[in-house]
Amino acid sequence: GQNIDQPTEMTATEGAIVQINCTYQTSGFNGLFWYQQHAGEAPTFLSYNVLDGLEEKGRFSSFLSRSKGYSYLLLKELQMKDSASYLCAVRDGFSGGYNKLIFGAGTRLAVHP
Amino acid sequence: GAVVSQHPSRVICKSGTSVKIECRSLDFQATTMFWYRQFPKKSLMLMATSNEGSKATYEQGVEKDKFLINHASLTLSTLTVTSAHPEDSSFYICSARLAGGYNEQFFGPGTRLTVL
Repeated sequence: GQNIDQPTEMTATEGAIVQINCTYQTSGFNGLFWYQQHAGEAPTFLSYNVLDGLEEKGRFSSFLSRSKGYSYLLLKELQMKDSASYLCAVRDGFSGGYNKLIFGAGTRLAVHP
Repeated sequence: GAVVSQHPSRVICKSGTSVKIECRSLDFQATTMFWYRQFPKKSLMLMATSNEGSKATYEQGVEKDKFLINHASLTLSTLTVTSAHPEDSSFYICSARLAGGYNEQFFGPGTRLTVL
């Protein structure tokens, strides 16, 4: 079956660093995405990993270990505007070429002053 | 670049009526678009994959006769919720896949449907 697990909620302090973990078990794998979603809005693309290792993009970094079925999103120098839901999504490699995304339930991050 | 729009952003309708939601890729062509629904504080659930010029592929448990999808051009897909009922009230989000690069999906702003 398809299963993607993330913590439901996390809290952190402005200026700190937070790591959001994601583990997955899917029938196929063709890349892992992280999206940010503010309440009532559409998700916005943050990062993409398809090979093992760390991808850095400004204040955001994402790590992937395919052998462990594990990824994390690292947010540095947290700002109040980073309060949002963070969605981990695996691209299914076995969907007739359509490469559909399978989403985790999302992690709601609350950043406090 | 890679902007996706949805219309309408909000719609309130009476039970039994049909509602059409449009999804447009504004600055790129998308052979594949996806339709999701999202309940409060829940993640996105894929409803169907829409391909230009062919029939949509529906996920298990999604009624194709209730959620009609048409992908008539490379920039437009429509989702029609037929004979809507209160349990169909949800946030509907479309995405369009950008060919090349990461092949990532770009999401529209969503449509909030409320069925009275």
